[in-house]
Amino acid sequence: AQKVTQAQTEISVVEKEDVTLDCVYETRDTTYYLFWYKQPPSGELVFLIRRNSFDEQNEISGRYSWNFQKSTSSFNFTITASQVVDSAVYFCALSEDHTGNQFYFGTGTSLTVIP
Amino acid sequence: DVKVTQSSRYLVKRTGEKVFLECVQDMDHENMFWYRQDPGLGLRLIYFSYDVKMKEKGDIPEGYSVSREKKERFSLILESASTNQTSMYLCAAGTAFYGYTFGSGTRLTVV
Repeated sequence: AQKVTQAQTEISVVEKEDVTLDCVYETRDTTYYLFWYKQPPSGELVFLIRRNSFDEQNEISGRYSWNFQKSTSSFNFTITASQVVDSAVYFCALSEDHTGNQFYFGTGTSLTVIP
Repeated sequence: DVKVTQSSRYLVKRTGEKVFLECVQDMDHENMFWYRQDPGLGLRLIYFSYDVKMKEKGDIPEGYSVSREKKERFSLILESASTNQTSMYLCAAGTAFYGYTFGSGTRLTVV
């Protein structure tokens, strides 16, 4: 079973629109960590955010915000007023406390922002 | 920040060749990982290493081997390249607690 599901394979938005990327995870651990990475066309995955399972506070960083809801096992990512530079593939990932150093990645959401 | 460097951005190899993909990190980090990335499949773990000369199989180790003779270097080896190994290969270093730092990837084409 997929531990991290990103149901949206591809999304296209017009510049300045808001867009939300969905991430649903599955774990039986009480301690776990959630991440979002951005992969621009250059190929390198860039770390965006880390959240542990005990911290359900939403996070805002400039135009980016993250909504962590344990009740629905979701960790969604919203870009406000999207820009062309936001065009990338975005990956959600989960690590569980008992598995040591392994990540479980979702299959990614490809976001295209149209000027 | 840990910086992870992959020696080649693009490689073209022939079927049956032995291929080496090199990855170097610039900090004294114990954990290193090799992933391959394919459309629709996301990132899949090939091998990882917790220390020098230690290696563990990931989800798709078949057709690959690894070498970690020095802490900073983690090499992925395709013993006999095949066309189904055409892919993007990503190296990473770090921990699941804090997160990984990835290299810029090697796009390998096997013809």
